[in-house]
Amino acid sequence: SYELTQPPSVSVSPGQTASITCSGDKLGDKYASWYQQKPGQSPVLVIYEDKKRPSGIPERFSGSNSGNTVTLTISGTQAMDEAEYYCQAWDTNTVVFGGGTKVTVL
Amino acid sequence: QLQLQESGPGLVKPSETLSLTCTVSGGSISSNIYYWGWIRQPPGKGLAWIGSTFYSGTTHYNPSLKSRVTISVDTSKNQLSLKFSSMTAADTAVYFCARHYYGAGSNVHMDVWGQGTTVTVSS
Repeated sequence: SYELTQPPSVSVSPGQTASITCSGDKLGDKYASWYQQKPGQSPVLVIYEDKKRPSGIPERFSGSNSGNTVTLTISGTQAMDEAEYYCQAWDTNTVVFGGGTKVTVL
Repeated sequence: QLQLQESGPGLVKPSETLSLTCTVSGGSISSNIYYWGWIRQPPGKGLAWIGSTFYSGTTHYNPSLKSRVTISVDTSKNQLSLKFSSMTAADTAVYFCARHYYGAGSNVHMDVWGQGTTVTVSS
């Protein structure tokens, strides 16, 4: 079965840039999405089709896809961005999620 | 504004079948664009996709759960349902329903989520 791998945690200082990676076999040939989930809340879509932002998502969230890795970048990270982030892709009629990355704003 | 609301029993006994409903408001579940599906999250763990369905009946299931899961749509009630058989403690989780966008190629993502409902499996 297809797998997506994320680092368990990323730490960032306020105002700095956080980069979260997600790797998978031939991921560059697929579309990836990213979700933000805060404790006790439902996930929120922040990036789809590798780099598109849904309405209402701040411009500081951006995405890229190259080779076997997709990256979610949070520029000018704010305290409110502290959350768990999940990447997601579609493979062989199955939705696959990465294990999640806890972003801590120190 | 589209909203999804899950409902069902908070407690299920081992070996029983879980039945959950997701009521869609502010939009039609008979959309020609979207699928509707379920995702779960065990306590302290990550997201796990269960499956999705189109209003016409086409379904996709997580292969590891397929033998125990049935997802269907009731267009007259604008509701999505999940039936999950042979429940065990390992199935204890928050269950979310979500609207799925299926685009060209592998462009699949979930753009609207319900608030989730907690299901505990215990005798």
